Amino acid sequence: KAGVTQTPRYLIKTRGQQVTLSCSPISGHRSVSWYQQTPGQGLQFLFEYFSETQRNKGNFPGRFSGRQFSNSRSEMNVSTLELGDSALYLCASSLIQGAAYEQYFGPGTRLTVT
Amino acid sequence: AQTVTQSQPEMSVQEAETVTLSCTYDTSENNYYLFWYKQPPSRQMILVIRQEAYKQQNATENRFSVNFQKAAKSFSLKISDSQLGDTAMYFCAFMALPSYGKLTFGQGTILTVHP
Repeated sequence: KAGVTQTPRYLIKTRGQQVTLSCSPISGHRSVSWYQQTPGQGLQFLFEYFSETQRNKGNFPGRFSGRQFSNSRSEMNVSTLELGDSALYLCASSLIQGAAYEQYFGPGTRLTVT
Repeated sequence: AQTVTQSQPEMSVQEAETVTLSCTYDTSENNYYLFWYKQPPSRQMILVIRQEAYKQQNATENRFSVNFQKAAKSFSLKISDSQLGDTAMYFCAFMALPSYGKLTFGQGTILTVHP
């Protein structure tokens, strides 16, 4: 099976712009979670989607939003970018069936805000 | 709220030796999972091992094993016969089953394996 894919891999944006990141989960996985990784804050949970519904949300401002499509692919959007949004954004997918709760991660999207 | 603490920011080990990475967590939940993830310089997060809280038996995966002490809320990772490819950042992570889909991570331990 193909792994989790994320596009684009690298992105440079200017303060005030908005950005959309995409994540395609492993085939058959219906749960998609997003994380932000920075040197200062470490890995922080953004939100999780299952069957097109947001089930969990982390402590991020409303500028961070996401959605999931019927094929389980997910996008996250950040509006009005700030310098502090520069980070590695990781997407992970999970089967969430039986006892299979482990998450498998994509390679990440490196976002730089200038 | 759950917290995960990794008290060793950096560790080093000689090739072929054994090393143990520490992790403690705090939760009021009874049903949860614990994980160790590895992030090499490529930044790709790789699942190393998982442990269900209801299982008393410690999980093992080849050279990797855990010491799960539920009462002490401790979850350490032992790497036997260390290899150069084990050099990476290791993260301990917690997932409470009411919030499946949400991992809470520790700050990570940088492990360097020396030849």
